[in-house]
Amino acid sequence: EVQLVESGGGLVQPGRSLRLSCAASGFTFDDYAMHWVRQAPGKGLEWVSGISWNSGTTGYADSVKGRFTISRDNAKNSLYLQMNSLRAEDTALYYCAKGSCGGDCYPDYWGQGTLVTVSS
Amino acid sequence: QSALTQPPSASGSPGQSVTISCTGTSSDVGGYNYVSWYQQHPGKAPKLMIYEVSKRPSGVPDRFSGSKSGNTASLTVSGLQAEDEADYYCSSYAGSNNFVFGTGTKVTVL
Repeated sequence: EVQLVESGGGLVQPGRSLRLSCAASGFTFDDYAMHWVRQAPGKGLEWVSGISWNSGTTGYADSVKGRFTISRDNAKNSLYLQMNSLRAEDTALYYCAKGSCGGDCYPDYWGQGTLVTVSS
Repeated sequence: QSALTQPPSASGSPGQSVTISCTGTSSDVGGYNYVSWYQQHPGKAPKLMIYEVSKRPSGVPDRFSGSKSGNTASLTVSGLQAEDEADYYCSSYAGSNNFVFGTGTKVTVL
């Protein structure tokens, strides 16, 4: 059974940094691309970033480009999102999602999310 | 990277059908057969219902179907059931390692 468990969320001041983690199990992690998708309170889903199976390709939404960095450690079955220069509009529930293949593939399984609140 | 456009709401009585549209551009929906649909119940994580425009993952009822014409994709839920009441989001590959989601549609079973 695919399991994705996010951690690292919390309350952070504007301009500060936060690093999210996602622990994956139940599948061969290094065979699949991974994604981060966020959902602001009461709002819709927003794709944030994706990374291929071998970290060879990454993608970012325009809203986070230059501030967020996605990475993965296949030896630890873990996905990360380094978030710098955080803004109030980054406040959201951040989901880790498994890609359906190793490259540019849609998310198929999702974790339960970790909440990030950016406020002074 | 503009969000795909979906109607805010849709509704139908039990047993009826409801169709949700998802309009993008030739750079996303119209350019790739990588449209997927997700169901999200309140307080829950999204669940994949349709992938690659019209394919259903194992375990998803065949009441759910997808299609695409030009820059617009559609999700149809036939034989509506109470448990189908949820938010639905479309998503499309948008090239250059990017994806985009729709604005979301709240489906109400009357």
